Amino acid sequence: QKEVEQNSGPLSVPEGAIASLNCTYSDRVSQSFFWYRQYSGKSPELIMSIYSNGDKEDGRFTAQLNKASQYVSLLIRDSQPSDSATYLCAVKSQAGTALIFGKGTTLSVSS
Amino acid sequence: DAGVIQSPRHEVTEMGQEVTLRCKPISGHNSLFWYRQTMMRGLELLIYFNNNVPIDDSGMPEDRFSAKMPNASFSTLKIQPSEPRDSAVYFCASRPGSTDTQYFGPGTRLTVL
Repeated sequence: QKEVEQNSGPLSVPEGAIASLNCTYSDRVSQSFFWYRQYSGKSPELIMSIYSNGDKEDGRFTAQLNKASQYVSLLIRDSQPSDSATYLCAVKSQAGTALIFGKGTTLSVSS
Repeated sequence: DAGVIQSPRHEVTEMGQEVTLRCKPISGHNSLFWYRQTMMRGLELLIYFNNNVPIDDSGMPEDRFSAKMPNASFSTLKIQPSEPRDSAVYFCASRPGSTDTQYFGPGTRLTVL
């Protein structure tokens, strides 16, 4: 069974710090990897996608992928209270299949 | 362009009643997904359609659940009869054929008493 694992948290960081969120997946043939942010009572929204090993940066966000270790991470630099949310890791295994989501990590940024 | 539209946004019903959730995907998207989210189980895929055809319904919990997509702009998820354990937030998402990115609707919060 294909699984995506995340530490549920909560992860608490002070404002301005770096938040590090981690995700592991079980299906070795996974091709596409995503980080979604979900505010309480809202729907998930895409913040990052990554397809190749290495780092991908977008503003304060950096996604890191290591396919050999089946590991994906999200770094949030200069964390802001507005970053407080649940971050969902999602994985797509083969062309045309749906995303499989982890249960999410709750991030709390204190001012 | 409008995003994914879901209705109703909130539904409260009694056990045994039929519930119908509705979704309008983003125009031009050819894949549609139904997810259910609970605290215990997270975001679970129920079923997805590609070009209006159901591709994978292995996540549908049991025969009480059914989903249809009669055309490219409309899908329904029906629960009959509903049970208290069906209480959850149900999300619809759509995806264009050119990318892997799924776009979520606002969700329907279902409460079965």
